Amino acid sequence: GAVVSQHPSRVICKSGTSVKIECRSLDFQATTMFWYRQFPKQSLMLMATSNEGSKATYEQGVEKDKFLINHASLTLSTLTVTSAHPEDSSFYICSALTGTGHGYTFGSGTRLTVV
Amino acid sequence: RKEVEQDPGPFNVPEGATVAFNCTYSNSASQSFFWYRQDCRKEPKLLMSVYSSGNEDGRFTAQLNRASQYISLLIRDSKLSDSATYLCVVNPNAGNMLTFGGGTRLMVKP
Repeated sequence: GAVVSQHPSRVICKSGTSVKIECRSLDFQATTMFWYRQFPKQSLMLMATSNEGSKATYEQGVEKDKFLINHASLTLSTLTVTSAHPEDSSFYICSALTGTGHGYTFGSGTRLTVV
Repeated sequence: RKEVEQDPGPFNVPEGATVAFNCTYSNSASQSFFWYRQDCRKEPKLLMSVYSSGNEDGRFTAQLNRASQYISLLIRDSKLSDSATYLCVVNPNAGNMLTFGGGTRLMVKP
């Protein structure tokens, strides 16, 4: 089945630094990738939708200059958390449209801790 | 009002019990409905899609009531391994975005 590989699975960084999270579709072309954030005991909240070769569409309240999304190829989308702060600590998950079956495949998530 | 609402629980049930979760959605034009399972600190995984006619997969039965805008999930003969958070997920329109409910936590005890 369709697999999305997400890295890193866990990262701890200092406040003010930037962190890049990668999601790769391993056996299909992901023209659309969704980026979610999940705080403890809360549900997934959509941050942005990225389409290959075009600018990402951000949800209301999500700062596009802070959360940089690049979807330059059909198999790779990246989310960069710039100038991270402790309140950015969260579980970040990507999801790709596979075009088959149910159509959505999730990455395994990245747990970001900003200290 | 949240787009997709669920009772957060937790539901604490003994092994073998039958448990039911409900979920309501606000957008009457919603197209597709799903139940996902999420284990602690893991990504969500599709449990089952929900069809208008209702559907069953082993011990799991999902039903959709469009008139009342709610979705249900019934788990029969609960197993310890069923302990997880169950997410009600709706595709609210013809686009591709999914909207997640807050999740219902289930704990199955021996």
